[in-house]
Amino acid sequence: NFMLTQPHSVSESPGKTVTISCTGSSGSIASNYVQWYQQRPGSAPTTVIYEDNQRPSGVPDRFSGSIDSSSNSASLTISGLKTEDEADYYCQSYDSSNRGVFGGGTKLTVL
Amino acid sequence: EVQLVQSGAEVKKPGESLKISCKGSGYSFTSYWIGWVRQMPGKGLEWMGIIYPGDSDTRYSPSFQGQVTISADKSISTAYLQWSSLKASDTAMYYCARHPLGPWGQGTLVTVSS
Repeated sequence: NFMLTQPHSVSESPGKTVTISCTGSSGSIASNYVQWYQQRPGSAPTTVIYEDNQRPSGVPDRFSGSIDSSSNSASLTISGLKTEDEADYYCQSYDSSNRGVFGGGTKLTVL
Repeated sequence: EVQLVQSGAEVKKPGESLKISCKGSGYSFTSYWIGWVRQMPGKGLEWMGIIYPGDSDTRYSPSFQGQVTISADKSISTAYLQWSSLKASDTAMYYCARHPLGPWGQGTLVTVSS
């Protein structure tokens, strides 16, 4: 079964830059699009990156996505960290049958 | 404004059936996939399945195939998630989302308890 692995947690200070990784278990992560979702406590998720590196309307350009084929990983980078960025972040892609798969989620602490 | 509005919270008994809804507005409902996602208490997101309302093409995650039914009525811009026989383990928050760019619905809390 195709799996996406994320770090359990990351922390960084306000104003700094943080990168969250998402590593595919098999195949090439570059073969299918990757999305990233933000979920603040007690709220529904929102999409911050879709199709590897596209931002939905209203998402600040402090959020960016990229793919590194050499490590079979996707990354979400958040620059100029704000306390409001503190949330759980999930990556999502597809298996070989085009069925969606989520990573386990990463808790971002901004301290 | 593009939005997805889900039906309200449900409390059911094991063995009962249930159908929850997700109504889209502000965009062409038939032109985007709608996905359903489960989040059990204190846990991460789980992909359940996805439907393209334009032609009702539906794809299920193996974990949910045969356990739920996803459908859509394009005449009223509404997608559905239904169970024929609920279990206590179906207790969770369920989200719909326009895929892949969003938005997401506000979620429907389903509680199954005897």
